[in-house]
Amino acid sequence: NAGVTQTPKFQVLKTGQSMTLQCAQDMNHEYMSWYRQDPGMGLRLIHYSVGAGITDQGEVPNGYNVSRSTTEDFPLRLLSAAPSQTSVYFCASSYSLAGAFYEQYFGPGTRLTVT
Amino acid sequence: GDSVTQMEGPVTLSEEAFLTINCTYTATGYPSLFWYVQYPGEGLQLLLKATKADDKGSNKGFEATYRKETTSFHLEKGSVQVSDSAVYFCALSTGGYQKVTFGTGTKLQVIP
Repeated sequence: NAGVTQTPKFQVLKTGQSMTLQCAQDMNHEYMSWYRQDPGMGLRLIHYSVGAGITDQGEVPNGYNVSRSTTEDFPLRLLSAAPSQTSVYFCASSYSLAGAFYEQYFGPGTRLTVT
Repeated sequence: GDSVTQMEGPVTLSEEAFLTINCTYTATGYPSLFWYVQYPGEGLQLLLKATKADDKGSNKGFEATYRKETTSFHLEKGSVQVSDSAVYFCALSTGGYQKVTFGTGTKLQVIP
């Protein structure tokens, strides 16, 4: 059981470039999310998904796109990178049982620098 | 809206010292409360949780009690080790999966 995996671990982009951060989970969790972590700001939700084919915006969605074609995968696309998107990005997954929400499982993170 | 306030870090302690990291929250309804830990270079992992008032969560020697009257969920450990050095996040969840609010994190450094 690999849990939540993310690739790449590190990435440097130039302003205006696009890229996709990959996230996969092998726990058959229905819920998946993308967060960004910035100093002094904790984690902020970018986008989330409550199941394959269903996505929605979080707190800071601008500049990012997501899709969820399978239960396992939840890629995050940066359309045109900006220095303000320099951050550490975490993918997380979770599940519910009888309406109760369970804790999130996090991937190891992707450290992105935009120059 | 919901919010979580944690004490500013970093917190530096000697090995075997007593640890308290304060966490207070503002939320509508009755949230579930969590402490997550992030070791250097890793993602967050759940440390403990409590889902209703007066519940005590505990794990690896850490404890936190859900205090509804003071809207607090302080993290404590009686004797810290160097291996406890990490960033600790308090979080709450209300109304569904997407409604998880994290605090800003408190960095703990334990020196031998």
